[in-house]
Order: sequence, then structure tokens, then C-alpha cells
Amino acid sequence: SAVISQKPSRDICQRGTSLTIQCQVDSQVTMMFWYRQQPGQSLTLIATANQGSEATYESGFVIDKFPISRPNLTFSTLTVSNMSPEDSSIYLCSSRAGGIDTQYFGPGTRLTVL
Amino acid sequence: GENVEQHPSTLSVQEGDSAVIKCTYSDSASNYFPWYKQELGKRPQLIIDIRSNVGEKKDQRIAVTLNKTAKHFSLHITETQPEDSAVYFCAASQGSSNFGNEKLTFGTGTRLTIIP
Repeated sequence: SAVISQKPSRDICQRGTSLTIQCQVDSQVTMMFWYRQQPGQSLTLIATANQGSEATYESGFVIDKFPISRPNLTFSTLTVSNMSPEDSSIYLCSSRAGGIDTQYFGPGTRLTVL
Repeated sequence: GENVEQHPSTLSVQEGDSAVIKCTYSDSASNYFPWYKQELGKRPQLIIDIRSNVGEKKDQRIAVTLNKTAKHFSLHITETQPEDSAVYFCAASQGSSNFGNEKLTFGTGTRLTIIP
């Protein structure tokens, strides 16, 4: 299985500011995924991050609001820009382990925007 | 794109009874169907998964069945215990065999409560 860590685990931010979330995987992976989980809701994919190329965003999510970096095969960042209270959510990264389909999740970052 | 529906949204069962959660999907290209359990404040944890070349898979008290023709799959938990209380999510994807389409589409979740 893959071991995935995220930083920070939680943060409280003021509206209009930005927060960068880091995701580290303990092995090299081709794809990393970023999800948002609003309170009491399911997981919604924000974007898929491939190393060496631009991230692919899902409908309703744009690069200006959620810029993603993928500098190497074990690390990715998601920035939540110009935050508003509606951005208050848990943000999770995930990735597969080895050549199998199973996706493992990081512990999540609980973001509260005041 | 893929759309996954999940029912019921909440489910309460007596300890020791069975629980069944059902999901349907829309994309016939989907061939990988995992189930995740999420306890309060924790990350989703994979509990069982099934691929389209298999109709049923069992792991101790947990089983998953897949009907590709009808595009639905179900999670079965037998002999339920209090620690089974959690939110369960089904998901679907085209799997790693289709590079670029590995993303998971999740169902809306089922809050399972086991009554002691």
C-alpha cells in the first residue's frame, strides 16, 4: 500500500487569502489526485496531477482558483486561492500504489475560511 | 462522464444483522469498483474492490457483487458489529488499464449505524 501524508492537517484562514496544501507519497507514482469533501458530503475530484504536465481539471474547477504543482513523482501541492467561506472543506490527495488500481488517500486537510 | 448513484443514504441495522448498500453506474467503460469506509474525522479506507471480470468477491464478513449488464454493484456486510458504523462510499473508474481515465467517481455515501 502507499503511505500518503499531507500538510497542514488543518488551518483557519481569512477570506481573500490563499493556502497551499502539500501531499507526499512514499513511492514514485504517475498520477496524483486532489479531491474536495464538503461537510457531510461525498468526495469530488478537483483535478488529476501528472508529473511533467499541466494538471487536468474537472468541470467546475479552474486553474486560477486551484493551481496545482507536480514537481516530481512523489510530491504535489494544491493551492486554494482567494478563499471564501464556501471553500471551507476537507481537501484530500490520493494516488495508486504500484501497478494496481487501488487508490489510497492522504489524511486530508481541514480548511475553515472565516 | 461517469455518474454513480448510491442507496440508501442512511441505514440502521441491529447488531448481528446484515446490511446491503447498492450503487449504479452509467459508463459502460468503467471496470473497477472499490468501496471505501470513512469513520468520522478519518480518511476514506478501502475495504473491498471488484473488477469487471469478476461477479462476486468476499473478504470475511464483507462481500461485493457486480452485475455489469445492469450496471450495478452492491456491498454486503454480514454479522454487523458496532465498529461497522461509518459512512460507506462506492466508486467507479476505468482502472489503471486505461491511462488517463483512472479517476474515481464516488457515490453520495451511506451512513450506516449499527444498533447494539
